[in-house]
Amino acid sequence: KNEVEQSPQNLTAQEGEFITINCSYSVGISALHWLQQHPGGGIVSLFMLSSGKKKHGRLIATINIQEKHSSLHITASHPRDSAVYICAVSDSGGGADGLTFGKGTHLIIQP
Amino acid sequence: DTEVTQTPKHLVMGMTNKKSLKCEQHMGHRAMYWYKQKAKKPPELMFVYSYEKLSINESVPSRFSPECPNSSLLNLHLHALQPEDSALYLCASSPRIILMGETQYFGPGTRLLVL
Repeated sequence: KNEVEQSPQNLTAQEGEFITINCSYSVGISALHWLQQHPGGGIVSLFMLSSGKKKHGRLIATINIQEKHSSLHITASHPRDSAVYICAVSDSGGGADGLTFGKGTHLIIQP
Repeated sequence: DTEVTQTPKHLVMGMTNKKSLKCEQHMGHRAMYWYKQKAKKPPELMFVYSYEKLSINESVPSRFSPECPNSSLLNLHLHALQPEDSALYLCASSPRIILMGETQYFGPGTRLLVL
């Protein structure tokens, strides 16, 4: 079973700062997902990556399959970006598995 | 419609009660999932349904009973729960089972408190 590690666990930054959250996993995957969870619970899927880089607005996600590592970047951070960011992977072994989740990074952006 | 809905949003129940959580999607997805999330922890997979058939049961106690009456609807029947079952219950769906990294769409969750 895959092990997913995220860092940092907690991050507080000032509005406007460039934010980086890292994720590493232990075995091969078919895809990596970045999810956002706001207080109250609902989870929003931000990106699904199997290679390279994706960009959506101020969010950028990259993945290095050889190094088993992904990063989520937030440019020009804003207080509304405050949330828990979760990295999750889908294993490549086949079978009807759900996602394996990291423990999440709790991000607070202060005005 | 790219939404997964869950009802109720909040539920308080006693240990002798029987209640049900409901999840619905109209995106034509054929895989649906139940996750349990305790405070400050990542979600834990409970059940996976693929084409209305139970595909995965992650050793969940029998006091949780899933049901998939049709391709749009997923229920979780609760009976004789324990206080430690209090958690956020998340439903998700994907076009197919996650073999090739299908994106999962999550519902807002039902926050359950067992007294």
